[in-house]
Amino acid sequence: DGGITQSPKYLFRKEGQNVTLSCEQNLNHDAMYWYRQDPGQGLRLIYYSQIVNDFQKGDIAEGYSVSREKKESFPLTVTSAQKNPTAFYLCASNEDRANTGELFFGEGSRLTVL
Amino acid sequence: GDSVTQMEGPVTLSEEAFLTINCTYTATGYPSLFWYVQYPGEGLQLLLKATKADDKGSNKGFEATYRKETTSFHLEKGSVQVSDSAVYFCALLQSGGYQKVTFGTGTKLQVIP
Repeated sequence: DGGITQSPKYLFRKEGQNVTLSCEQNLNHDAMYWYRQDPGQGLRLIYYSQIVNDFQKGDIAEGYSVSREKKESFPLTVTSAQKNPTAFYLCASNEDRANTGELFFGEGSRLTVL
Repeated sequence: GDSVTQMEGPVTLSEEAFLTINCTYTATGYPSLFWYVQYPGEGLQLLLKATKADDKGSNKGFEATYRKETTSFHLEKGSVQVSDSAVYFCALLQSGGYQKVTFGTGTKLQVIP
């Protein structure tokens, strides 16, 4: 079955550590996105990539980094510079580089900083 | 900038009750509008969409009509089930430029037997 796989589902981090969240898709979609979800705030866009080897900052990119070396993979690194990293992180994809709004989401990764 | 406002939850209904979740938007141009649903512990799924004024999106018994005159896209269902318990997000896709999806804050629906 085609879809988006995020791992790990749960992750605990000590302050000062970098962590990388994995996102893999087998939908052959061009565009991929990372969102952060906090209670009562909806979804906020961290980074997006419309094509391999290219990515753009979203609304809340500070303290995060990404790469897009392969079409199917878009890992997110939460760095120690992110002041409040505890959140639910969602990866999504879109078939077209020009966002149609029809996003396919993974099941999410919940990061907790201890 | 563009924004989406949803009614605050949680909304608690008995099974077979009528559901309305209000959504209004602010946008330049002519955005496309969406409803997404998130079941507990999962990512979001597209529920329905409408791309122009007066369009009605529908899926799984849910409906929403794109009302440009009131800048609204309210979600309705005639008879909810326990399995409809989830968080519902209204969203818009900007027109022009890079087309970013802007989400509302979500409305939690709980349906009790």
